[in-house]
Amino acid sequence: NAGVTQTPKFQVLKTGQSMTLQCAQDMNHEYMSWYRQDPGMGLRLIHYSVGAGITDQGEVPNGYNVSRSTTEDFPLRLLSAAPSQTSVYFCASRATYRVASPLHFGNGTRLTVT
Amino acid sequence: SQQGEEDPQALSIQEGENATMNCSYKTSINNLQWYRQNSGRGLVHLILIRSNEREKHSGRLRVTLDTSKKSSSLLITASRAADTASYFCATSDTGANSKLTFGKGITLSVRP
Repeated sequence: NAGVTQTPKFQVLKTGQSMTLQCAQDMNHEYMSWYRQDPGMGLRLIHYSVGAGITDQGEVPNGYNVSRSTTEDFPLRLLSAAPSQTSVYFCASRATYRVASPLHFGNGTRLTVT
Repeated sequence: SQQGEEDPQALSIQEGENATMNCSYKTSINNLQWYRQNSGRGLVHLILIRSNEREKHSGRLRVTLDTSKKSSSLLITASRAADTASYFCATSDTGANSKLTFGKGITLSVRP
């Protein structure tokens, strides 16, 4: 039982490049989300999904796209990378959309944009 | 926008001592959760306390919630070096589209 798997672990991009951060969970969770973690800022919600085919914006969605074609996968796309997107990105899932169930996190993708 | 704010920002204690961490928040909440993050890893859920609960225990963890003061505390008893980590409180508001909002975290160092 792998839980939440994120790939890659590390990535370096040049400004303007695009890429997709992968996230997969094997717990049949309804809810999936992406956070970014920056020093002194805590975790901020980028996008989330309450089920396959449904996505919505979080606190800091600009510059990112998501889709949820299956229950298991929730990729995060950076359309045109900017240095301000240098961060550690975490994918998290929980069993239901209800916030009373705990979030399960992946181990993160550390992204540097030069 | 940040909801929970942890205090202190950093805490250093000796193994065997108790560690107390506090979280304050601004608006009414549905529940409050505590998470731990070891260096280079994702967050791990520790405990959830609902707005109608005042205290909860899980192993060496004790969480209290005072909704009148809009604050919570996490107590780790008999700390171990393995408890060294960052600890985050996260709150969910009472709105229809409630989301979980994390604080900035507390860095706990437990000296052997």
